[in-house]
Amino acid sequence: EDQVTQSPEALRLQEGESSSLNCSYTVSGLRGLFWYRQDPGKGPEFLFTLYSAGEEKEKERLKATLTKKESFLHITAPKPEDSATYLCAVLLSGGYNKLIFGAGTRLAVHP
Amino acid sequence: EAQVTQNPRYLITVTGKKLTVTCSQNMNHEYMSWYRQDPGLGLRQIYYSMNVEVTDKGDVPEGYKVSRKEKRNFPLILESPSPNQTSLYFCASSFVGPGELFFGEGSRLTVL
Repeated sequence: EDQVTQSPEALRLQEGESSSLNCSYTVSGLRGLFWYRQDPGKGPEFLFTLYSAGEEKEKERLKATLTKKESFLHITAPKPEDSATYLCAVLLSGGYNKLIFGAGTRLAVHP
Repeated sequence: EAQVTQNPRYLITVTGKKLTVTCSQNMNHEYMSWYRQDPGLGLRQIYYSMNVEVTDKGDVPEGYKVSRKEKRNFPLILESPSPNQTSLYFCASSFVGPGELFFGEGSRLTVL
């Protein structure tokens, strides 16, 4: 069964304390992996797309990386405004238009 | 401003009373989709549409209907809502296919 698992479920950091969020997947075939940010009471906002192992994307304090089994979202020197839920999603290959979301990691960054 | 607009944002209704949640996008996107979000379960796809008059079931389509008569609109219809349809609903769109999606602000539905 195709599955996307995010860990940890929740993460509390002090401002400036770098860390990583994990998205592991077991799928029949991967066409792309996507990261989103979701603020409370809002819809998810697209951050990154990764297509192949070894690929990296960066935006401000965030860097997403991809291996054959998992993706990491690295947060460097986070600020309180980085507090949000981060979602990853896997687009299956093989002609399926299926995007499977993980349950998300709730990140809280405290001053 | 590029946006996906959902209405209503909040709704409390009773079992069996038909309701429609509207979704409209102003980006000329071909792909539109509906998701529900429940605690611990993540986003699950209800229905999607690759283009006008082309719709297909997602992972949890039971109890829902959709239509795509115009490119910009993709309403979600609950013919006879039940309490297990209490959830947070999101409409999303993209140029082609799922992936880099634009999401609406969400519609929180409570069925009593």
